[in-house]
Amino acid sequence: NAGVMQNPRHLVRRRGQEARLRCSPMKGHSHVYWYRQLPEEGLKFMVYLQKENIIDESGMPKERFSAEFPKEGPSILRIQQVVRGDSAAYFCASSLLEGLENIQYFGAGTRLSVL
Amino acid sequence: DQQVKQNSPSLSVQEGRISILNCDYTNSMFDYFLWYKKYPAEGPTFLISISSIKDKNEDGRFTVFLNKSAKHLSLHIVPSQPGDSAVYFCAASAGGGSQGNLIFGKGTKLSVKP
Repeated sequence: NAGVMQNPRHLVRRRGQEARLRCSPMKGHSHVYWYRQLPEEGLKFMVYLQKENIIDESGMPKERFSAEFPKEGPSILRIQQVVRGDSAAYFCASSLLEGLENIQYFGAGTRLSVL
Repeated sequence: DQQVKQNSPSLSVQEGRISILNCDYTNSMFDYFLWYKKYPAEGPTFLISISSIKDKNEDGRFTVFLNKSAKHLSLHIVPSQPGDSAVYFCAASAGGGSQGNLIFGKGTKLSVKP
């Protein structure tokens, strides 16, 4: 049973370009979460999605960032017109959300470097 | 404002001894807590969790204790092994974990020396 798959593992972009990060949840999981980790920091929540719906995007920057989780295919985190401050590790997690205990399982992350 | 705090950035322990990692939180609405372990260049790996209806949960060498009145939880690893060397993150959520938003501490780097 494959875990949460993220690709690419490393992504290099120049300022002003677009970055697309992909996440395939664990088999049977319909809840996807995106987090960002800056150096020496903990993970910061960005967005929570279910199939075709954004449930909570309270952690998403208001501009340039968007996320989707289509009916078919992986979840996508899209960053338009990247700036140096976007350089970070982006982690995706998925969960079953059964009962009251929601264990989120994480992928290996995408390390974005903006030149 | 940090709602989940791990005040020790690092901890060094001898192999075979107990490792105790601490975590404090400020939001009284948090009712579900998780510990994750992270190696460099990898994603966080789930270790153990506890809901606020319990004060202890045990899984093999790992035990998590929750003190709701003090808003404090701790992770005990007994006995510690060199392979336990990693960064440990404490995370919390409200709404029984059904809300998507996990709040993470900054992590504690554990080094277990042979």
